[in-house]
Amino acid sequence: KQEVTQIPAALSVPEGENLVLNCSFTDSAIYNLQWFRQDPGKGLTSLLLIQSSQREQTSGRLNASLDKSSGRSTLYIAASQPGDSATYLCAARKEGNRKFTFGMGTQVRVKL
Amino acid sequence: EPEVTQTPSHQVTQMGQEVILRCVPISNHLYFYWYRQILGQKVEFLVSFYNNEISEKSEIFDDQFSVERPDGSNFTLKIRSTKLEDSAMYFCASSGQGISNEKLFFGSGTQLSVL
Repeated sequence: KQEVTQIPAALSVPEGENLVLNCSFTDSAIYNLQWFRQDPGKGLTSLLLIQSSQREQTSGRLNASLDKSSGRSTLYIAASQPGDSATYLCAARKEGNRKFTFGMGTQVRVKL
Repeated sequence: EPEVTQTPSHQVTQMGQEVILRCVPISNHLYFYWYRQILGQKVEFLVSFYNNEISEKSEIFDDQFSVERPDGSNFTLKIRSTKLEDSAMYFCASSGQGISNEKLFFGSGTQLSVL
């Protein structure tokens, strides 16, 4: 059974600092992995999706890496801004099905 | 930008009552899902739906739950006889077909409170 863990659970940084969010998964037979952002009381917004054959994906200030063999993905957010304050969720999809297994998330606060 | 819409945003019901949560997925998407998030817990998969039938479901999705696509645009989740532990935020999601359309698009959710 796939388990997804995110460390740290919470992170507080001053504006401008780079953010590093970690995600680990127990079953390396993943099809792809997505990073989401969740604002309080709101839905989830997909940020980046990495296929199992890819090593990384980039979108603007966001970069996500994937190391399938070690069961890890990392989300980097460069030059953080107060608007980046949110909970970031990692979700892995196993080969052969369409179900995503989510982590608990990392709650990020970017201070002015 | 196209979006998934869910109604209602909040639903309060008495234990034992039936509820129907409604969703309008993105129009050209072919895969539809329901997830839920109990307060303070992980987002959990409930069911996926493709080609007018359930393609996968979790252990949570027992006989009390059903899904339907009654027309070309709506996708519904019905809980037949609600229990206190069904209280959660329910999210509808959709995705397209093909490797370049794998991203999940989520609605804003329906907060279900069972009293």
